[in-house]
Amino acid sequence: EAQVTQNPRYLITVTGKKLTVTCSQNMNHEYMSWYRQDPGLGLRQIYYSMNVEVTDKGDVPEGYKVSRKEKRNFPLILESPSPNQTSLYFCAAGELGQDEKLFFGSGTQLSVL
Amino acid sequence: EDQVTQSPEALRLQEGESSSLNCSYTVSGLRGLFWYRQDPGKGPEFLFTLYSAGEEKEKERLKATLTKKESFLHITAPKPEDSATYLCAVQAYSGAGSYQLTFGKGTKLSVIP
Repeated sequence: EAQVTQNPRYLITVTGKKLTVTCSQNMNHEYMSWYRQDPGLGLRQIYYSMNVEVTDKGDVPEGYKVSRKEKRNFPLILESPSPNQTSLYFCAAGELGQDEKLFFGSGTQLSVL
Repeated sequence: EDQVTQSPEALRLQEGESSSLNCSYTVSGLRGLFWYRQDPGKGPEFLFTLYSAGEEKEKERLKATLTKKESFLHITAPKPEDSATYLCAVQAYSGAGSYQLTFGKGTKLSVIP
């Protein structure tokens, strides 16, 4: 079964305390991406990766870092979280090309106090 | 800047009452348009990918169509289990190796028994 696993599901932290949200996939897909979802703003792309060691900015990359050292993992790093990064985060993975589709994780609800 | 506008924001239907959701887009060159379904507290779930004007795809009670300016998601004889938020996303042709995805804010569908 195609699966994208994010951890943790819920996270409460304080301003400035570095954190990492993990994302792994079991489908061997080349493409992975991160999104944040905020009320009234919809899903916005943060970063994406076309393959190992290949990453690029989405619409809202400020304050975030990513790395893609291996195909199955794509962690999202907040070096110094701020309250405006409180949001619901989703990781996705998929194959591009004909009939492409993305598989999304269950989400990480982050609160930065 | 790529833009995706979904309407209506919310839609209440009686069970069996067919209707359509709209997704209008403005992109420099459309590479693909995607429909996803999102249930509360969960990640989006893939429904359809459309690539060219005139293309149509169907799945159970859902049918997606695409023109040069908009896409419609037609729901025929909906059931309460079709209640969800439906998201539209577009991907435009851009630089080599680029894959930015822009989502609309979604239409929240409620189907009343």
